[in-house]
Amino acid sequence: GESVGLHLPTLSVQEGDNSIINCAYSNSASDYFIWYKQESGKGPQFIIDIRSNMDKRQGQRVTVLLNKTVKHLSLQIAATQPGDSAVYFCAETGRGAGGTSYGKLTFGQGTILTVHP
Amino acid sequence: KAGVTQTPRYLIKTRGQQVTLSCSPISGHRSVSWYQQTPGQGLQFLFEYFSETQRNKGNFPGRFSGRQFSNSRSEMNVSTLELGDSALYLCASSRDSFMNTEAFFGQGTRLTVV
Repeated sequence: GESVGLHLPTLSVQEGDNSIINCAYSNSASDYFIWYKQESGKGPQFIIDIRSNMDKRQGQRVTVLLNKTVKHLSLQIAATQPGDSAVYFCAETGRGAGGTSYGKLTFGQGTILTVHP
Repeated sequence: KAGVTQTPRYLIKTRGQQVTLSCSPISGHRSVSWYQQTPGQGLQFLFEYFSETQRNKGNFPGRFSGRQFSNSRSEMNVSTLELGDSALYLCASSRDSFMNTEAFFGQGTRLTVV
C-alpha cells in the first residue's frame, strides 16, 4: 500500500523545547504537502501546508521545510507544549494523470510526539 | 460554524453484514473525501465526491462504495463485511480540491466487525 503504519516513530521532548518531526515522501509528482495533528479520538487537524514552489513556510509556532531534491518534509514546533502531544502526519497530493488528484491525500505513517511537563 | 459531522461515532457489525456511514460536510463545502485508518495500514484514501460525482477512487475492493447527495452530504457503504474492515473511517470536506482550499476532517466512525 501507499502508507505503512506498523511501528510509529516516537519523539519525546520536554516542555519548552523545540521539536522536529520528519517525513519522507515517495511521489516526485506531488506538489502540495500538508501536516496534520491527530489527538486521541479525533480526526486529523490541519496544521500547516506548503506548495512545491516553496521550501519554507512559517505559521504560529510551526515551520515546515520542504526539500524536493531528497523528497523530505519536516515540521518544526517551537516552544513545544503538553497540548502539542499527538500523532503528527505528513500528507502529499498532486496532479495525477489528466489533472489534480482530487481529494486524494497520501499520508505518511505518523510520528507520536509526547511532551513532558 | 459547525464542523464535519460523522454518524454514527461507533458501530459494531457482524461479518457478512453491510454498513452505511454518513458524513455531513461544512456548509458550503462541495467536496467530500473518505479515508480508512487502521494501525497496520495508516490512513488510506477511499474515494472523493464533488457535486454528486465521484472524481477519484482509491485501491479498495468494490465492496466499498459511496455516494453524495445534492446537499453535499455523503454516505459510504461497505457490503459483506470482513474482520479486516474494522477501522476508523474518516471523512474530510473542502470547498474544492485540497490543493486550493483547506480540508477539514470529522471525528470519524469507529467500525468494529466481529
